[in-house]
Amino acid sequence: AQSVTQLGSHVSVSEGALVLLRCNYSSSVPPYLFWYVQYPNQGLQLLLKYTTGATLVKGINGFEAEFKKSETSFHLTKPSAHMSDAAEYFCAVSDLRRGANNLFFGTGTRLTVIP
Amino acid sequence: GAVVSQHPSRVICKSGTSVKIECRSLDFQATTMFWYRQFPKQSLMLMATSNEGSKATYEQGVEKDKFLINHASLTLSTLTVTSAHPEDSSFYICSARDPQGTHEQYFGPGTRLTVT
Repeated sequence: AQSVTQLGSHVSVSEGALVLLRCNYSSSVPPYLFWYVQYPNQGLQLLLKYTTGATLVKGINGFEAEFKKSETSFHLTKPSAHMSDAAEYFCAVSDLRRGANNLFFGTGTRLTVIP
Repeated sequence: GAVVSQHPSRVICKSGTSVKIECRSLDFQATTMFWYRQFPKQSLMLMATSNEGSKATYEQGVEKDKFLINHASLTLSTLTVTSAHPEDSSFYICSARDPQGTHEQYFGPGTRLTVT
């Protein structure tokens, strides 16, 4: 069964500092992995996704994530935090079993950027 | 492209009444849509998968008679919360599966339901 664990429900970084949001997954099949961002009272916006191919995935707003099969991880990084990055971030894994492409979400990490 | 809208964005209703939430794919046809529920400061929980022209598939623990889902066209799915109670107050988010067949989902902006 698929599941996602996000370590750290809250992460605070200074503006300009490195952002690292952790995500570990469990999947019985090769996973499709996603990072979404949610701003207050809004839906989710896709940051990036890994399906196949290159394990280092680049997304929007300067974010990237690396799929590490040996570590079952898909951590999200950004070299330099911006105030506008403050939001809730969700890691998700796709459920391929039933063919309906259901997504299982982690519990989310709230990123605070300190000026 | 790939825009999903929801209406209303916010709704307040009294206990015992029913509320309908609409989810529309604006520029593509969505044979499969998903309904999620999100409690404050928590993650999204899948409630049901909505397939055009057929019955929705509900996740374990979700009452299908309370949360009625209709997917009558390729661009519209509706969620009706029947006989709403305060514990139904939540943020409801819909999404549509990418019509290109990838595993991506496009999310609506969500509907904040408050039951008084």
